[in-house]
Amino acid sequence: GENVEQHPSTLSVQEGDSAVIKCTYSDSASNYFPWYKQELGKRPQLIIDIRSNVGEKKDQRIAVTLNKTAKHFSLHITETQPEDSAVYFCAASSDKLSFGAGTTVTVRA
Amino acid sequence: NAGVTQTPKFQVLKTGQSMTLQCAQDMNHNSMYWYRQDPGMGLRLIYYSASEGTTDKGEVPNGYNVSRLNKREFSLRLESAAPSQTSVYFCASSKSGGGGRLSYEQYFGPGTRLTVT
Repeated sequence: GENVEQHPSTLSVQEGDSAVIKCTYSDSASNYFPWYKQELGKRPQLIIDIRSNVGEKKDQRIAVTLNKTAKHFSLHITETQPEDSAVYFCAASSDKLSFGAGTTVTVRA
Repeated sequence: NAGVTQTPKFQVLKTGQSMTLQCAQDMNHNSMYWYRQDPGMGLRLIYYSASEGTTDKGEVPNGYNVSRLNKREFSLRLESAAPSQTSVYFCASSKSGGGGRLSYEQYFGPGTRLTVT
């Protein structure tokens, strides 16, 4: 099955700086890569996703890049704000969705 | 639209007790899932139902059973609870669970926090 590794496990950034989270996957058949945000005590919610026929996708302050050859993908958050503080999960799917272990992002005011 | 709902929100069980977690969605989704979330381990798939009438094992199915009651409802049963099953359980649904172009956003319920003593 698919194995997704996510780094770093924790990330602390100054408000206004950028945050980058990286994930690798093992199954070359995976072709759907969503990112979920989970605030404390809440449910995970999709923030952005990318399919394998696209190398990059952007939505306001967040962007995701995908390198199929290297089997890794990354989430970039620019101009971080306190409300970006949360746990972020990457995932990869060929037939089922497999999640990374999560990155706890703290934005310092 | 309520989206995905789960009951109960919290539950405490003694070792060996049984219980059923209920999940329902009103988005006319075909696929439904049960995950458990433990600190530092992300979300792990327990069981899923790609469509009404079908269920399949996920990554961590041992100690659990599921029933896809109809298109809306997907329940998770613990027959004999163990302390290792202490976790937060999330139900999710999506239009379709297949790979490739059939992969869609999963919508999660609010979760059930289960403690087994």
